[in-house]
Amino acid sequence: EAGVAQSPRYKIIEKRQSVAFWCNPISGHATLYWYQQILGQGPKLLIQFQNNGVVDDSQLPKDRFSAERLKGVDSTLKIQPAKLEDSAVYLCASSLVPGATKNIQYFGAGTRLSVL
Amino acid sequence: AQKITQTQPGMFVQEKEAVTLDCTYDTSDPSYGLFWYKQPSSGEMIFLIYQGSYDQQNATEGRYSLNFQKARKSANLVISASQLGDSAMYFCAMREANTGFQKLVFGTGTRLLVSP
Repeated sequence: EAGVAQSPRYKIIEKRQSVAFWCNPISGHATLYWYQQILGQGPKLLIQFQNNGVVDDSQLPKDRFSAERLKGVDSTLKIQPAKLEDSAVYLCASSLVPGATKNIQYFGAGTRLSVL
Repeated sequence: AQKITQTQPGMFVQEKEAVTLDCTYDTSDPSYGLFWYKQPSSGEMIFLIYQGSYDQQNATEGRYSLNFQKARKSANLVISASQLGDSAMYFCAMREANTGFQKLVFGTGTRLLVSP
């Protein structure tokens, strides 16, 4: 079974530029998550989708970050304009069972963003 | 308040020995789940083990076991017979049932180094 796919793996941009990340979840997984992991910290949830609807974006900086999951499958996360503090690894995860406490999230390899 | 606390920034262990990685958590929700993930240098978060708050037995998955002490709010990961490939970051995470959104909250991680 294919895992969560993310691209690109690495991205270097200058501040005030825009950038987009792509994620394709595990087939059949209804829930998709985007996390931001700053160096030396654990991942922090940015946004969660259930199918193509947003269920939690309380920690998404909406003035510069946006995300969509148009057909309930793959998703893009965009930053416009980027700031130095956006330098981080952006992890995508997906899960199968939305209602269970166990609900294991499976992660992709992430995109490492450097903002210069 | 910190929901998940991992007090060991780094741990060293010799190959074939056992090691315990500490995790304490804070919640008032009686229903919650605790997770451990491994993050090698490649960046992907790999699910290791899960413990539900109502589970009577400590969880085990191969060489991984979880020392769950509910009254002390601790969920320590025990890795038996360490291998060189176990060198990685290890994150403890919690999901509270009352959040409704299945959000995982992560600790800051422990870096494990296994030496020959």
